[in-house]
Amino acid sequence: AQKVTQAQTEISVVEKEDVTLDCVYETRDTTYYLFWYKQPPSGELVFLIRRNSFDEQNEISGRYSWNFQKSTSSFNFTITASQVVDSAVYFCALLTAGNMLTFGGGTRLMVKP
Amino acid sequence: DTGVSQNPRHKITKRGQNVTFRCDPISEHNRLYWYRQTLGQGPEFLTYFQNEAQLEKSRLLSDRFSAERPKGSFSTLEIQRTEQGDSAMYLCASSYRDRYEKLFFGSGTQLSVL
Repeated sequence: AQKVTQAQTEISVVEKEDVTLDCVYETRDTTYYLFWYKQPPSGELVFLIRRNSFDEQNEISGRYSWNFQKSTSSFNFTITASQVVDSAVYFCALLTAGNMLTFGGGTRLMVKP
Repeated sequence: DTGVSQNPRHKITKRGQNVTFRCDPISEHNRLYWYRQTLGQGPEFLTYFQNEAQLEKSRLLSDRFSAERPKGSFSTLEIQRTEQGDSAMYLCASSYRDRYEKLFFGSGTQLSVL
């Protein structure tokens, strides 16, 4: 069985603060993919990043960065200098050969001006 | 690229009625997925098509649910004899090459069963 846990159900920050969204996953597969999706109020999930289990390099894309640590089964997402437009629900998800994409429960991020 | 389109956006029905939702994927995408999302939860996988073949179904998909993808283009999801527990957002997604690619999601159909 596989599982994704996002322990933070809701986070509230003030604009320009940095914020980290936690994601912990469980799987017995050695090959897997991890994803982050953003769901704004419009409802449409938007892809942010995909990493495979053999690539532990951290990644930075503008104000977004991701920290993948296999030793702790975590794939955390940091937004630097948050903006009001970052307000959304963020989902971490896990994909393996034997299972379809499994989502965590999501973290609702509210960025206040 | 017009994105994944879902209709209707909202559906209100009475318990016991049948409902059907439609999904139009991105035109060159041969893989199509249905997910269900309840309030405050992450999406849960329901079923998956590669072209017109339905390759996988979740245990969540009871026999009241049926999905089709005739000719490998649009897909429909039908729920028969709806129950209040069916109230949820039904999301459709598509991808192009393989199942490990990112998914493109539609805006979903919000179903309310009274």
